[in-house]
Amino acid sequence: GQQLNQSPQSMFIQEGEDVSMNCTSSSIFNTWLWYKQDPGEGPVLLIALYKAGELTSNGRLTAQFGITRKDSFLNISASIPSDVGIYFCAGRTQGGSEKLVFGKGTKLTVNP
Amino acid sequence: DAGVIQSPRHEVTEMGQEVTLRCKPISGHDYLFWYRQTMMRGLELLIYFNNNVPIDDSGMPEDRFSAKMPNASFSTLKIQPSEPRDSAVYFCASSLGFVNEQYFGPGTRLTVT
Repeated sequence: GQQLNQSPQSMFIQEGEDVSMNCTSSSIFNTWLWYKQDPGEGPVLLIALYKAGELTSNGRLTAQFGITRKDSFLNISASIPSDVGIYFCAGRTQGGSEKLVFGKGTKLTVNP
Repeated sequence: DAGVIQSPRHEVTEMGQEVTLRCKPISGHDYLFWYRQTMMRGLELLIYFNNNVPIDDSGMPEDRFSAKMPNASFSTLKIQPSEPRDSAVYFCASSLGFVNEQYFGPGTRLTVT
């Protein structure tokens, strides 16, 4: 089945630094989503991307849908302690039985 | 709205016992999803329903797993008999339309000893 390769697996940064993480796949997706999961909670949608090449911002977060439709990245600018959590990418397959496939997550730690 | 409600939040059971996880989706949402999250495999879609009808259950790992949605406001995921490898966090999510945002519940942490 489809798989998403999300990297890095974990990041340790200082407050104020910018962060970048990405997801790649050998399959084409027609939607890319980025979620954040806090400890003990379910994932919460941060940004949704629906068109190849689309660049979307949500506050300090910016995400892009790759032109090849096989990748996406998420940037966080000027990180703050509450950015701590696990960030997941998810891609929606096209055609046939549509599914949302999740990456394994990037665990972000922000040192104040 | 209260969001997606799941119960119990934590479940500890012995191998061989039946486990039933419950979910109440957001009112008005027509899609409901069950996911399993583990360190090794990440988030996996188990099954999803549209208007209470199971659409895709190809992610259900074995016949020991079953899911039902008797009405628009309630769904269950049952494991019988449970095994230690079923230990995971199980999430329920709902959405209005398949392509729209899925709202996740807080999850049920299942431990099978």
